[in-house]
Amino acid sequence: AQSVTQPDIHITVSEGASLELRCNYSYGATPYLFWYVQSPGQGLQLLLKYFSGDTLVQGIKGFEAEFKRSQSSFNLRKPSVHWSDAAEYFCAGWANFGNEKLTFGTGTRLTIIP
Amino acid sequence: GAVVSQHPSWVICKSGTSVKIECRSLDFQATTMFWYRQFPKQSLMLMATSNEGSKATYEQGVEKDKFLINHASLTLSTLTVTSAHPEDSSFYICSATLNRGSASEYGGETGELFFGEGSRLTVL
Repeated sequence: AQSVTQPDIHITVSEGASLELRCNYSYGATPYLFWYVQSPGQGLQLLLKYFSGDTLVQGIKGFEAEFKRSQSSFNLRKPSVHWSDAAEYFCAGWANFGNEKLTFGTGTRLTIIP
Repeated sequence: GAVVSQHPSWVICKSGTSVKIECRSLDFQATTMFWYRQFPKQSLMLMATSNEGSKATYEQGVEKDKFLINHASLTLSTLTVTSAHPEDSSFYICSATLNRGSASEYGGETGELFFGEGSRLTVL
């Protein structure tokens, strides 16, 4: 089945350290991929998206993600995390434009330690 | 950017009562809205797809008589949890997608979803 998976349930990093959150997809064609962030008790905010073109996409809040077809991955990165980045991060995707039933990964909870 | 608003953000009700949650697209027209349910520390589970002017399409395992969805206009979809029970307590999130051909600044080219803030339902 077409899906996205996030292997890491929980990640803890020190403030100021770099971050990489993993996301793998299993779509046959190039999918449309998204990263969303959710703070406790809040809705989802889009960090960035990829659908074609440059495989390194820049998002808000200093995040970036790189689409790697050979690895079926779309990992999210940030060079230096801030305490305010502590949240739940969801990778999501869909196979075709027009089929907007997003498939979400299970999420990765990010904890920031001083 | 495009804004989706949900109301109420939280609601507490007694078992057996019905609760209505509204999802509005504030600055764009949404032909399609989606309703998700999220259990604590879990991912979002799609409940149904709501299309303006037609019946909602429910995902497998979601009771359509329990979760009534109405999409009466291009800016409003409602989810009514009928005869709510404690097991219906959850965080409900809606999202909306733009009409085809909408301005790219709103993500129309990729059919980006815009999410509401969520509504937390607690059934006593």
